[in-house]
Amino acid sequence: SQKIEQNSEALNIQEGKTATLTCNYTNYSPAYLQWYRQDPGRGPVFLLLIRENEKEKRKERLKVTFDTTLKQSLFHITASQPADSATYLCALDGGNEKLTFGTGTRLTIIP
Amino acid sequence: KAGVTQTPRYLIKTRGQQVTLSCSPISGHRSVSWYQQTPGQGLQFLFEYFSETQRNKGNFPGRFSGRQFSNSRSEMNVSTLELGDSALYLCASSLVYRPSGHNEQFFGPGTRLTVL
Repeated sequence: SQKIEQNSEALNIQEGKTATLTCNYTNYSPAYLQWYRQDPGRGPVFLLLIRENEKEKRKERLKVTFDTTLKQSLFHITASQPADSATYLCALDGGNEKLTFGTGTRLTIIP
Repeated sequence: KAGVTQTPRYLIKTRGQQVTLSCSPISGHRSVSWYQQTPGQGLQFLFEYFSETQRNKGNFPGRFSGRQFSNSRSEMNVSTLELGDSALYLCASSLVYRPSGHNEQFFGPGTRLTVL
């Protein structure tokens, strides 16, 4: 069956370190993968989109990789700050034109 | 440019009632999608509308329905509410129909529905 798994429900990282979040998928062949940030009580906010023919994408302190062989995307936040604390969601096209989301990783940056 | 707006923000209903939620997309956006978010199931796709037509539907019972108007505004309706319908309902808009390519979704703040 199709599945999207984000490595852990919660992740605590010391301020200044790099936070790495994982998104694994099975039985999908997505043309692209997206990452969103969601703060409590708010809707998700789009961060980055990466296409299947792109290995890596960067935006300021954010970096996303996409390995279609491993069926995995990694999301990195470098020089993490307490303001980066939020839930991060990966999403991909499930092959039937529906955007399917992972359950998210709640990231906490500890000062 | 104003973001996606959803009304109402909070709603309390009792079992058996019906509810209508409203979403106004970003100006110029023609695609509107609806999602249900619960702690246990995460974000689940409900349906997507483009040019007043439902283009895709998730695995939800027929009690969940929606529509889109000519100005791209959308409503979703849930009839015969059940306790399990308690959730955050999110609306998202995008510039073009999803399969057309780059399709960043812009989410509204959601409507928190509580069914008692």
